[in-house]
Amino acid sequence: AQSVTQLDSQVPVFEEAPVELRCNYSSSVSVYLFWYVQYPNQGLQLLLKYLSGSTLVKGINGFEAEFNKSQTSFHLRKPSVHISDTAEYFCAVSEMDSSYKLIFGSGTRLLVRP
Amino acid sequence: DAGVTQSPTHLIKTRGQHVTLRCSPISGHKSVSWYQQVLGQGPQFIFQYYEKEERGRGNFPDRFSARQFPNYSSELNVNALLLGDSALYLCASSHRDRGNEQFFGPGTRLTVL
Repeated sequence: AQSVTQLDSQVPVFEEAPVELRCNYSSSVSVYLFWYVQYPNQGLQLLLKYLSGSTLVKGINGFEAEFNKSQTSFHLRKPSVHISDTAEYFCAVSEMDSSYKLIFGSGTRLLVRP
Repeated sequence: DAGVTQSPTHLIKTRGQHVTLRCSPISGHKSVSWYQQVLGQGPQFIFQYYEKEERGRGNFPDRFSARQFPNYSSELNVNALLLGDSALYLCASSHRDRGNEQFFGPGTRLTVL
């Protein structure tokens, strides 16, 4: 069965520092991968997606992620964070043969400090 | 273009009552999915509808039901509410039934007392 693991429940970081949010997944078939961001009392906004092709994916707000099939990982990175990046980040996976269903990780709260 | 809209924004019900949540997808999107997000957790898949047919169902009891209308809007119904049904209910739309990212609405916050 599919599953998504986000090992870090909270990541504190100072403003302008780099950050990496980790995501590992488990699936027996090929998958699509996504990162969503959720600001307080709001819905989810898509940051980036991997469907096929280049394993390095660039998204909005300066975020990027790299798909590593051998390690079944899809870590999210940003070279320099801003206070406004403080939010909850969710990694999600869907199987290519049933991609209507997104399986989400438990989320990582990014806390950017001045 | 307008994004996914959901109504109501907030709702308070008591145990045993019934609730109906509504969702309007992005114009041109034919697929609507529903997710439940309990506080402190990631969203969990409840249903997907595409072209008015149920395409998938998550691990939720029969108290949860949904439908999609000819204009592709959708309703999620929950009967015999339990305290554990308190959550943020998210609706997402996509252009097709697979292979596309899903665009989420702001959610309906349901509190069951």
